[in-house]
Amino acid sequence: GDSVTQMEGPVTLSEEAFLTINCTYTATGYPSLFWYVQYPGEGLQLLLKATKADDKGSNKGFEATYRKETTSFHLEKGSVQVSDSAVYFCALGSNDYKLSFGAGTTVTVRA
Amino acid sequence: EPEVTQTPSHQVTQMGQEVILRCVPISNHLYFYWYRQILGQKVEFLVSFYNNEISEKSEIFDDQFSVERPDGSNFTLKIRSTKLEDSAMYFCASSSNSGGISGANVLTFGAGSRLTVL
Repeated sequence: GDSVTQMEGPVTLSEEAFLTINCTYTATGYPSLFWYVQYPGEGLQLLLKATKADDKGSNKGFEATYRKETTSFHLEKGSVQVSDSAVYFCALGSNDYKLSFGAGTTVTVRA
Repeated sequence: EPEVTQTPSHQVTQMGQEVILRCVPISNHLYFYWYRQILGQKVEFLVSFYNNEISEKSEIFDDQFSVERPDGSNFTLKIRSTKLEDSAMYFCASSSNSGGISGANVLTFGAGSRLTVL
């Protein structure tokens, strides 16, 4: 079945550092790919998405490119801030009614 | 910005008790979901609901679970007889569509209800 594997955490960075969280997927069809973020005490929020190969999703300085050849959707941000401290989830949506999530990566940014 | 509201935020219950988790989805959304996350594990799909019936359910969603949309606004998850392993964060979500051909199913999640079974 469809599944997502993302980089294990936790990840600790200093402010203005470069962040990459790896995500790879397995799917039988042509899924859409998502990154969700969960800030402390809050729900899962959609960060960005890409619906087809070579699409790039971007939001709040984060980017991820849908790479069909490597079945990947790595999340990147060039210069992180303390406010980016959160848990990040890669997810896959196929033609049915559900999302398949990765395990989540906890990111802590120190001032 | 519209949001999905869940209550309670935290519930502690004894094993064997019934629990009802409540959700108010976004008002014009038609598809509703429950997911759960056991501490330290993946967010897992439980069930989807559309047009007053279950669209799909996972293996986790066995006979002790049920969902209901008792009125025009609430969407509930009932666990009939809780077990220790039901302890988790339960997330409700809603969407305006199922994704269609593109599969671009954008869900809006609530903040979650933490269930602790003792």
